Amino acid sequence: DVKVTQSSRYLVKRTGEKVFLECVQDMDHENMFWYRQDPGLGLRLIYFSYDVKMKEKGDIPEGYSVSREKKERFSLILESASTNQTSMYLCASSAGLFLYNSPLHFGNGTRLTVT
Amino acid sequence: SQKIEQNSEALNIQEGKTATLTCNYTNYSPAYLQWYRQDPGRGPVFLLLIRENEKEKRKERLKVTFDTTLKQSLFHITASQPADSATYLCALDVENQAGTALIFGKGTTLSVSS
Repeated sequence: DVKVTQSSRYLVKRTGEKVFLECVQDMDHENMFWYRQDPGLGLRLIYFSYDVKMKEKGDIPEGYSVSREKKERFSLILESASTNQTSMYLCASSAGLFLYNSPLHFGNGTRLTVT
Repeated sequence: SQKIEQNSEALNIQEGKTATLTCNYTNYSPAYLQWYRQDPGRGPVFLLLIRENEKEKRKERLKVTFDTTLKQSLFHITASQPADSATYLCALDVENQAGTALIFGKGTTLSVSS
């Protein structure tokens, strides 16, 4: 079974802090994704990566950056956390050359609160 | 503008009945449509993927249809059980300003009562 592990289930940070959310997958998947999920807004794509050191912006990249130095690890960085970044963050991975013709495997999320 | 709508936020049915969830989309021409299940406090779990040239797909008690003319997918759970209670999300691959992306609907929360 594919396992996508997010380093923290809950995180509380202060406004202005630099925040790192880590995600590791164990199935040698090419593609990795970061989503945020908010009530009434659903899942929204922040960034994705289809290869090591490659990254692409999703629908809401502002205020975020990512890093993929190794195939199994995809990090989301909040350069200067703000209260509107309080959310559930979900990491996912998928196999294959094409991004969306195979299932996404999600981690269990990190609930981030910025105070 | 592009939109994905799942028929209702909540659906309540009795155990043993068939649950039917709807996913409608406008201004997209997706090649793939996926359905996921999400339990509270957990990440979504993949259930089924259907391609635009497939009309129907089944997996155990689950059935998905994909009508590209109506721009609609129906997700059926037959002989529903309380354990099927969860939020169900549909997702489409779409072209947007960010490139190709997998866009999710907001979900329908299904409650199955015994």
